[in-house]
Amino acid sequence: NAGVTQTPKFQVLKTGQSMTLQCAQDMNHNSMYWYRQDPGMGLRLIYYSASEGTTDKGEVPNGYNVSRLNKREFSLRLESAAPSQTSVYFCASIGQAILSTDTQYFGPGTRLTVL
Amino acid sequence: DQQVKQNSPSLSVQEGRISILNCDYTNSMFDYFLWYKKYPAEGPTFLISISSIKDKNEDGRFTVFLNKSAKHLSLHIVPSQPGDSAVYFCAASWGSGTYKYIFGTGTRLKVLA
Repeated sequence: NAGVTQTPKFQVLKTGQSMTLQCAQDMNHNSMYWYRQDPGMGLRLIYYSASEGTTDKGEVPNGYNVSRLNKREFSLRLESAAPSQTSVYFCASIGQAILSTDTQYFGPGTRLTVL
Repeated sequence: DQQVKQNSPSLSVQEGRISILNCDYTNSMFDYFLWYKKYPAEGPTFLISISSIKDKNEDGRFTVFLNKSAKHLSLHIVPSQPGDSAVYFCAASWGSGTYKYIFGTGTRLKVLA
């Protein structure tokens, strides 16, 4: 049981390049989330997926797209990377997300640098 | 507008003493509060939580206090250990259905041996 896994762990891009961050969970969770963490800003929600086949915007969705490929996988795509997207990206999942008492499980993060 | 605030970016405490981490919130709709702990190069991990119907929750060395009238919560760690050195995030959520957490900016705790 690996929990939430993310690939890659590190990535350096040039401005304008595209890439996809991958996330998978093996806990049979329904809901999945993408966050970014910046110094002094805490964790900010980019997109989330309540269940397979649905996605919704979070606080900071501009410049990103997501795909909920199946129940296990939720990917985050940067179509044209910008230096402002330099950040650490975390994927998280949660079982039911029905009650506010559920807790999220986080992946180890992807450190992205855009030059 | 930051709905969840952690005004102390860092805190240093001697081993064996009490660590107190604070968090303030502005949205009175929040009904559940959580603390996460984060080590470098790892994702946050859940530490302890409290429902808005309670004012205290304990789990071993960790206690969370909630003061709804002041919209304030705090995490107490007693006794503090060097392994507690990490960044601590408070988070808040509300309602049912698909919901989202709002995270604070984090407090870096350093426990000195």
